[in-house]
Amino acid sequence: QLVESGGGLVQPGGSLRLSCEASGIPFSDAWMIWVRLAPGKGLEWVGRIKSKADGETVDYTAPVKGRFIISRDDSKNTVFLQMNSLKTEDTAVYYCSTPSSSWREGFDYGMDVWGHGTTVAVSS
Amino acid sequence: QSVLTQPPSVSGTPGQRVTISCSGSSSNIGSNYVYWYQHLPGTAPKLLVYRNDQRPSGVPERFSGSKSGTSASLAVTGLRSEDAADYYCASWDDSLYAVVFGGGARLTVL
Repeated sequence: QLVESGGGLVQPGGSLRLSCEASGIPFSDAWMIWVRLAPGKGLEWVGRIKSKADGETVDYTAPVKGRFIISRDDSKNTVFLQMNSLKTEDTAVYYCSTPSSSWREGFDYGMDVWGHGTTVAVSS
Repeated sequence: QSVLTQPPSVSGTPGQRVTISCSGSSSNIGSNYVYWYQHLPGTAPKLLVYRNDQRPSGVPERFSGSKSGTSASLAVTGLRSEDAADYYCASWDDSLYAVVFGGGARLTVL
């Protein structure tokens, strides 16, 4: 239901844009989230974009603020993660996810719909 | 250094009960829901517990979550070999304005 794309190898300081296309969910109502898993480390919440109805508010984890931008195109059922000024520590598998409660009654951050991830490697 | 603290590893034998702890603070676990995820290498994380102690449909009753104050735990009863995985706790943090995860606990079934 969520398919990420756009990963690859990029040099430090470079940019990359990830995409996540959704199907089978009411995408325009969904709050979309990016999570990453770096080698040898744990899961890290990258950021979230709310639905248009909820203001399309975006929040990021501190390490990526000012460098990453999350946006969405509801006409294409797609959420994007624009990554700029990439650092070696951004190397990770990037997952797209969403809590189904974002389009149902009673919101919570339980992310129960996930993509299979796309790999980003930042290296010279 | 993760905001939520988990033991890096836990282990048990088939049929045993194991628990995984998760320690936080008043800005996260103390005032928000706790979630638990199971992650197997090469796959997408799977939500095991939401809202502290609720199981999504399809998650076996062997998995149960609880929360007390600024700590939470995940219990796995009737341990099976297929339970070997990494387990993460998570919660919203009111100060960081982000979801925070624990460092993950690797469950080994001996």
